[in-house]
Amino acid sequence: GAGVSQSPSNKVTEKGKDVELRCDPISGHTALYWYRQSLGQGLEFLIYFQGNSAPDKSGLPSDRFSAERTGGSVSTLTIQRTQQEDSAVYLCASSPVGAGNTIYFGEGSWLTVV
Amino acid sequence: GNSVTQMEGPVTLSEEAFLTINCTYTATGYPSLFWYVQYPGEGLQLLLKATKADDKGSNKGFEATYRKETTSFHLEKGSVQVSDSAVYFCALKPGSNDYKLSFGAGTTVTVRA
Repeated sequence: GAGVSQSPSNKVTEKGKDVELRCDPISGHTALYWYRQSLGQGLEFLIYFQGNSAPDKSGLPSDRFSAERTGGSVSTLTIQRTQQEDSAVYLCASSPVGAGNTIYFGEGSWLTVV
Repeated sequence: GNSVTQMEGPVTLSEEAFLTINCTYTATGYPSLFWYVQYPGEGLQLLLKATKADDKGSNKGFEATYRKETTSFHLEKGSVQVSDSAVYFCALKPGSNDYKLSFGAGTTVTVRA
């Protein structure tokens, strides 16, 4: 497809389980971002990839959160031992390199931890 | 550091009213500025952008002008419709090697028929 694709779109998991969220960026976009949007909150930056490396992972909330990107394309955000406060919409975005270039967002993965 | 301050909501308007959402920023260098919109149940979409001072971004009847002297990027629409009900986010992307997008807190706009 032409846009940023995320899966799953919805995920309900039990507290303590691990979850993986996947992002397929727009083809050719070298920059990839993960953000989190909690109910009633704004957008919280998690991590930024340039190619396969992550020069900025300052927003990851704890060591239970990790992310990787392979082949300069697909990225996976992993949350281990999920907690109820992890419930949120996880948004992936991508953009071409360049200061003025637009960042395009996916539809998000809605995570509910019960 | 870089930051965006956005008018607090929620904002409730009648159809055909004039809408303004204030946005000011703090940044070093020459950032690019964006307005994103999130309609109910949907993902974030780019509404408009401006990449340098005095640029005006426009789309769907919305406008915003990049004002470096006042460090502002206020969003305006002259006559809103019910379909404009959404959450609006102002955002900044630094002009340096830092490509992280910094968002404002979002403003919820409800337009009544």
